[in-house]
Amino acid sequence: GENVEQHPSTLSVQEGDSAVIKCTYSDSASNYFPWYKQELGKGPQLIIDIRSNVGEKKDQRIAVTLNKTAKHFSLHITETQPEDSAVYFCAPRYNTNAGKSTFGDGTTLTVKP
Amino acid sequence: KAGVTQTPRYLIKTRGQQVTLSCSPISGHRSVSWYQQTPGQGLQFLFEYFSETQRNKGNFPGRFSGRQFSNSRSEMNVSTLELGDSALYLCASSLGTSGNTGELFFGEGSRLTVL
Repeated sequence: GENVEQHPSTLSVQEGDSAVIKCTYSDSASNYFPWYKQELGKGPQLIIDIRSNVGEKKDQRIAVTLNKTAKHFSLHITETQPEDSAVYFCAPRYNTNAGKSTFGDGTTLTVKP
Repeated sequence: KAGVTQTPRYLIKTRGQQVTLSCSPISGHRSVSWYQQTPGQGLQFLFEYFSETQRNKGNFPGRFSGRQFSNSRSEMNVSTLELGDSALYLCASSLGTSGNTGELFFGEGSRLTVL
């Protein structure tokens, strides 16, 4: 099965700074790389994803970069805001196995105003 | 479009009892997956149902079971509850067919406390 490691486990930044979270995986067959955000009292929500034929994807202040050779991908948040404070999870997998995902342990991001 | 609905949101049980949790997926989604979330173990996959059949199963004991109905609604059951079963149980729905985006849509979860 997939082994997923996520770093760091906690991250505290000042409002306006950038935040980077890294996810390392083991299964070279993985071809779908999503990031989920979980706010307090809610379920995880997809915020950005990337497929293995693309190296980078950007959506306003968030971006995901993929290094398939090294088997890791990263979440980048620029100009952080207090509402970005949440737990972030990566869940790489082989696309056809949509329902069965292996999640990283999560990164608690705190953005201080 | 209505999101994923889980009921009940909160429940308290005692050891040895059993519990049934319900999940209504997004309309048109045929796959329903269940995850257990605890502070110590993170998000762990329980099982996935697709078209009323269990398609994948995680590493949980047989006390954890589930089923899916013809309208894609799903239930999971935990029998002979143990203190360690206290967790947030999350349901996720997706289209479930190969080649789709694969996005999982999560409900807000059912918070189970076992005393």
